[in-house]
Amino acid sequence: DAGITQSPRHKVTETGTPVTLRCHQTENHRYMYWYRQDPGHGLRLIHYSYGVKDTDKGEVSDGYSVSRSKTEDFLLTLESATSSQTSVYFCAISGSSVETQYFGPGTRLLVL
Amino acid sequence: ELKVEQNPLFLSMQEGKNYTIYCNYSTTSDRLYWYRQDPGKSLESLFVLLSNGAVKQEGRLMASLDTKARLSTLHITAAVHDLSATYFCADGQRSQGNLIFGKGTKLSVKP
Repeated sequence: DAGITQSPRHKVTETGTPVTLRCHQTENHRYMYWYRQDPGHGLRLIHYSYGVKDTDKGEVSDGYSVSRSKTEDFLLTLESATSSQTSVYFCAISGSSVETQYFGPGTRLLVL
Repeated sequence: ELKVEQNPLFLSMQEGKNYTIYCNYSTTSDRLYWYRQDPGKSLESLFVLLSNGAVKQEGRLMASLDTKARLSTLHITAAVHDLSATYFCADGQRSQGNLIFGKGTKLSVKP
């Protein structure tokens, strides 16, 4: 299995609070991605990174920000959590833009 | 609008039967990926198809890609219960490896 960990694995928070999710990899892969998975929607890309300090928006980026200061870590921040951000969040990594993506174990986030 | 459509979305099969899951995509992509997800788990990569006519097989699963028809298929041969899962296809046309996922096909194999 690709060396990807996500933390926390489960989180319950209240509306309006900031939340940061961490993705850590030991594969030295260049590309990292954040997705959210919701029933009936499959997986949707939030933000991605193609190198240290190189990030860009995905299709559902509103309300989220990211940072990547080191190759191994990609942080996803919900500046002010809303109930619509209740979801399962997956991090993925890839060695190139063509290779398959390897997914982390996921973080279940509940915003009350 | 870029989209990926899978059908069927739900599939109940009997063990030993064959079936095909279809994945239609809207881009001119020649990169198509298949993943498997067990309930409550992460996604596992199954196949990477990188050219027209590409065919990959692993056990009872075989995936193919027809870029002219913008269609990929995942064929299941002699299904067994262990294949019960949700299967996703994803189009890799967008830049930087960004994937557009279908909504998934939930497969249930019954004895």
